[in-house]
Amino acid sequence: NAGVTQTPKFRVLKTGQSMTLLCAQDMNHEYMYWYRQDPGMGLRLIHYSVGEGTTAKGEVPDGYNVSRLKKQNFLLGLESAAPSQTSVYFCASRGHTTGIEQYFGPGTRLTVT
Amino acid sequence: GENVEQHPSTLSVQEGDSAVIKCTYSDSASNYFPWYKQELGKGPQLIIDIRSNVGEKKDQRIAVTLNKTAKHFSLHITETQPEDSAVYFCAASAFYGNNRLAFGKGNQVVVIP
Repeated sequence: NAGVTQTPKFRVLKTGQSMTLLCAQDMNHEYMYWYRQDPGMGLRLIHYSVGEGTTAKGEVPDGYNVSRLKKQNFLLGLESAAPSQTSVYFCASRGHTTGIEQYFGPGTRLTVT
Repeated sequence: GENVEQHPSTLSVQEGDSAVIKCTYSDSASNYFPWYKQELGKGPQLIIDIRSNVGEKKDQRIAVTLNKTAKHFSLHITETQPEDSAVYFCAASAFYGNNRLAFGKGNQVVVIP
């Protein structure tokens, strides 16, 4: 099992550009989450999904959109990137009946200039 | 919503000594308290967790204690080793529904050889 994987690992965008971050998990987990991590801020929840075809807003959803068309994938989109979205983005997943712990991916470091 | 605070922000200990990190939470409905370790350039990894029906849990050199009345929980690392150097995050959530974790801002632990 690869666990939770994220693509890409690094990316530099210019203000106004768009991009999609991909999260994939091979553990058949129902729940998936997108967090951002900023220095001194801990991890903040952007959006999450409780199952295929469903998404919900987290703590800091503005400027991001998500989709969960397949159970194993959770996409995070930035339609018009801003310097305030410079951050490290982590995806996590969790099973519904297999336990409560969330498993994290390795992260994507995004810089918006 | 839930608010989790961690203290101290940075902790330096001599190798072999113990390290203690304390977190407080605000929502009395929270009943699940995980601790994550994050090494440089990696995603957070669950190291231990505790549920509100127990007061203490141990796993080798790591232990977590929970005081529901005071709404605080602590991570204890004994016989620290250089590989314990990392950022540690505490979190809290209610063990039902979407398991939205509220994270603390993290503690940098430095073990001095």
